[in-house]
Amino acid sequence: RKEVEQDPGPFNVPEGATVAFNCTYSNSASQSFFWYRQDCRKEPKLLMSVYSSGNEDGRFTAQLNRASQYISLLIRDSKLSDSATYLCVVSPYSSASKIIFGSGTRLSIRP
Amino acid sequence: GAVVSQHPSWVICKSGTSVKIECRSLDFQATTMFWYRQFPKQSLMLMATSNEGSKATYEQGVEKDKFLINHASLTLSTLTVTSAHPEDSSFYICSAPLTLAGDRNEQFFGPGTRLTVL
Repeated sequence: RKEVEQDPGPFNVPEGATVAFNCTYSNSASQSFFWYRQDCRKEPKLLMSVYSSGNEDGRFTAQLNRASQYISLLIRDSKLSDSATYLCVVSPYSSASKIIFGSGTRLSIRP
Repeated sequence: GAVVSQHPSWVICKSGTSVKIECRSLDFQATTMFWYRQFPKQSLMLMATSNEGSKATYEQGVEKDKFLINHASLTLSTLTVTSAHPEDSSFYICSAPLTLAGDRNEQFFGPGTRLTVL
């Protein structure tokens, strides 16, 4: 079983739609959780950290369920510029060191 | 935010040659840096942890004699792909962690180096 699992997609949705990504992790001792965004041929960029209580940043909402070892990302009112690969990232430590990447979920927003 | 640079951004070389990739933290010090490799349509795979002033820690399955890592200063780590072969062609990315205000930890990535071995 992979340490971090994601639905690879691709998700192809119209502009303005709401889309949700899910991620599960196998190490119950994991401490830190993140969503990164990666554009084609570019490095990953931090989208948001995920905290135990869940958090929201504009159109993006992240949730963490430690009991189920499950992380989610919700994108509302999707824009064309949201097209990218979204990477679920987990760290077994309290710091961001040695993070484990999921395989990523590709999202394509169509006009 | 903090900046991590990589050089070169791309390189094409002949099979059998060695290629050195530099990773620099431009405005912060990093005692630890990480090297990842990403093949097309796959996720980033951690290759090794680069430790300033000591030996790197390699992930299982990564040959330490093939991928030489040197972390000579608090702002520079180098990855040398020795005797590169076509199967080593990949996107190599480095990262450095930084603790921000409020004990918030974040990983900053370099822009990556695309290696093509002919």
